[in-house]
Amino acid sequence: DAKTTQPPSMDCAEGRAANLPCNHSTISGNEYVYWYRQIHSQGPQYIIHGLKNNETNEMASLIITEDRKSSTLILPHATLRDTAVYYCIVRVAVASKIIFGSGTRLSIRP
Amino acid sequence: GAGVSQSPSNKVTEKGKDVELRCDPISGHTALYWYRQSLGQGLEFLIYFQGNSAPDKSGLPSDRFSAERTGGSVSTLTIQRTQQEDSAVYLCAIPGLRNTGELFFGEGSRLTVL
Repeated sequence: DAKTTQPPSMDCAEGRAANLPCNHSTISGNEYVYWYRQIHSQGPQYIIHGLKNNETNEMASLIITEDRKSSTLILPHATLRDTAVYYCIVRVAVASKIIFGSGTRLSIRP
Repeated sequence: GAGVSQSPSNKVTEKGKDVELRCDPISGHTALYWYRQSLGQGLEFLIYFQGNSAPDKSGLPSDRFSAERTGGSVSTLTIQRTQQEDSAVYLCAIPGLRNTGELFFGEGSRLTVL
């Protein structure tokens, strides 16, 4: 699976949009971009994934650049409960081992 | 998390003892993953089971660690002769039934080796 690079930490004001970047310049054509988050002392939670089109669900939006070398996870109206570590992962959407990086620690300030 | 039950939720043991951690997924999942997370660290891949194929053990940190999955359902992670550096939360995960690649994690087993 391709390697991803994320900033170690970010902060965002409550109520504003949180934009979390991820670089995956070595991504292959059949690899998807997945985002998870881990709230303190809980197991990781799936957020969203995409191949090349932008995706939106009830939790977030995923914007993937046209060359697919980077993506941005957008939390449109961040709340204090969104404080977590956010992991960006690239993998094929079939069963294989999944390697998590260090993620981005997002802090939402009141 | 929904669909994955792990036990025990907390385990305190003495250095040198063996421990077994259990992952019990709801039926229908052919794949199962084990990860561990030390305090303040990221998720470390340990082992991956897929159906009847040989498991991918490439993440196991030493030969003190082993895992098995009986009957394609329950999995047990065994740590022999535990060391203090084995202290961590051990997480089990299964893929969603839609087979679109997302994982669902259990709540984990917190292991403390004194």
